[in-house]
Formats: sequence, structure tokens, C-alpha cells
Amino acid sequence: AQSVTQLGSHVSVSEGALVLLRCNYSSSVPPYLFWYVQYPNQGLQLLLKYTTGATLVKGINGFEAEFKKSETSFHLTKPSAHMSDAAEYFCAVSSRAGGYQKVTFGTGTKLQVIP
Amino acid sequence: GAVVSQHPSRVICKSGTSVKIECRSLDFQATTMFWYRQFPKQSLMLMATSNEGSKATYEQGVEKDKFLINHASLTLSTLTVTSAHPEDSSFYICSARDISSYEQYFGPGTRLTVT
Repeated sequence: AQSVTQLGSHVSVSEGALVLLRCNYSSSVPPYLFWYVQYPNQGLQLLLKYTTGATLVKGINGFEAEFKKSETSFHLTKPSAHMSDAAEYFCAVSSRAGGYQKVTFGTGTKLQVIP
Repeated sequence: GAVVSQHPSRVICKSGTSVKIECRSLDFQATTMFWYRQFPKQSLMLMATSNEGSKATYEQGVEKDKFLINHASLTLSTLTVTSAHPEDSSFYICSARDISSYEQYFGPGTRLTVT
């Protein structure tokens, strides 16, 4: 079984401020972790993912996330928010137990960037 | 990069009619495709897993006779919403898993409105 919890359905930051979107996961097997971004009426775009290896993962648009096994967390950060970062962000967990991969999404966090 | 297309991007139909949505992997082969449904301001909920050449696996609570899935080739899966009702109005997103890399790529989504 696997699940994802995203703390905060809405986050507001000022332009230029640090962005921190929180994600905690639960998985009975070693997880693969993802962050996706969704703009209104569009599909999902992969920001970054963790599979194995380095726990600090860098993605597109200046985002990064750190896998912390002890805290079961995979928080998304960006040093300086841009207006174009305003969107919905989904954390997701996937596991490959038994050769079958199933992705479970969090409930999403809507990021608002204030000029 | 890998691209998944969906057609149509938007569709409006009358209650009681059926609607078919296509999901294609354009530059890779996918033995497995996934169909998600997203209600406004909510996360993606997995509806079913489509395996090429075999029956789809539906998630609990999803009516298989209402949401017909066909995965006839390694690049095409279709979702048919039969006898659509207004409560079926939603954003439907497919994803395809690359047969080689196991990476999962998402389509841009289809907005279904049933009047």
C-alpha cells in the first residue's frame, strides 16, 4: 500500500521568495517519488523524480526536492519564486512491487505567487 | 522527449450518448496505459490500468461497463464513456508507460462536458 500527503492545499508566496511545498509519503516498498506541475486545463508535466541514488534531485524550472527516508518526506523547493510558477503541484509515489507500477497522487497544492 | 497525445482535447455531448477518447504514445511503445479522472480542484484518481492485448484492470468503484477501455496496440488505448450523464463531466487524463524505460508519461487531458 502507498499514499501521499501534501500539507497545505494552498500556498502563497511573494515573487522572489522561497517556495516550499511539503510532501510526505507512505510505502511498503522502496518508493519512486515524483513532483508534477499542472497549469489550468492542461495535463501533468514532470518537474523531477527520485528513483535511486542521490537524494537531492534537481528538476526543471529551478525546482529541487530532497528524499529523506527517515522523515518519509520529499519536499519541493525553489529559492526564488517567479510569477510563472503559479500552478497546481502534485506529489506522487510509485512502487514497482511485483513488476507492477502504480502511481498514487497527493491531493495537490495550489501555489499562488504575489507580485 | 516522449509524447502522449489525447484526442479530443475537449468534447461536449448530450446525456445518454457515448464518447470515445483516444490516448496515443507518439514516439514510444507502451504495453501499459493508465486512465485517470480529475474533478475540479481535486487530485487525479486512477480509474483503470490498460494492458495491451488483455482486459483492463479497474479500480474499486469504477464501473467497467460504463467506462470501456480498449488497448489494441502498443501505441493506442481508448476510453469510451457509455451512456454519459452530467455527473461524468470531468477531466480525463491518460498516461503511458514506456515499454523500454518504464517511465510514465502523461497526456494533456480531455475535458468532457455532458449536457
